[in-house]
Amino acid sequence: GAVVSQHPSRVICKSGTSVKIECRSLDFQATTMFWYRQFPKQSLMLMATSNEGSKATYEQGVEKDKFLINHASLTLSTLTVTSAHPEDSSFYICSAEETGFSNQPQHFGDGTRLSIL
Amino acid sequence: TQLLEQSPQFLSIQEGENLTVYCNSSSVFSSLQWYRQEPGEGPVLLVTVVTGGEVKKLKRLTFQFGDARKDSSLHITAAQPGDTGLYLCAGGRGYNNNDMRFGAGTRLTVKP
Repeated sequence: GAVVSQHPSRVICKSGTSVKIECRSLDFQATTMFWYRQFPKQSLMLMATSNEGSKATYEQGVEKDKFLINHASLTLSTLTVTSAHPEDSSFYICSAEETGFSNQPQHFGDGTRLSIL
Repeated sequence: TQLLEQSPQFLSIQEGENLTVYCNSSSVFSSLQWYRQEPGEGPVLLVTVVTGGEVKKLKRLTFQFGDARKDSSLHITAAQPGDTGLYLCAGGRGYNNNDMRFGAGTRLTVKP
């Protein structure tokens, strides 16, 4: 089945640091990938839709300059949390949908737990 | 407000009991997915339903998509401790599920 790899799985860093999270589709091409944030005991909240070769689409209330998204190839999207602060601590999850298929489910990575001290 | 309303939010039952989780919306969805998520992991897809009235079975789990494609239910028969987890429904409205939204989730605990 389709596999999405997310790296790193856990990051602990100091306030003010920028953190990059990678999301790779391992055995399929993904024109579109999605980035979610999940706070403890809550559901997934869509942050942005990452489009290969074009700008990401951000959900209302998500700062595009704070959460930089790059989708330079059909198998890789990156999310960079710039100048991270403790309130950015959360579980970040990416997903990808296989290019060329309609009504297909998204395939999720295993998430990245970001802890800002 | 959530586009998809899931109920109940929390459910704690004994092993062997049956349960039903509901996912409701006022919007029509082109497809609806159910996921299960373990702590510290990404959601794992259980099923996708696309046709109104569709019923799918996965061992002890039965999924139903409403006739109008606005709601869905997940029924678990004879629940086991291994069923414990966060169950999420997600609805796609766009052609390629570009507009997929998640419900708030149902946190299920099955006690041995």
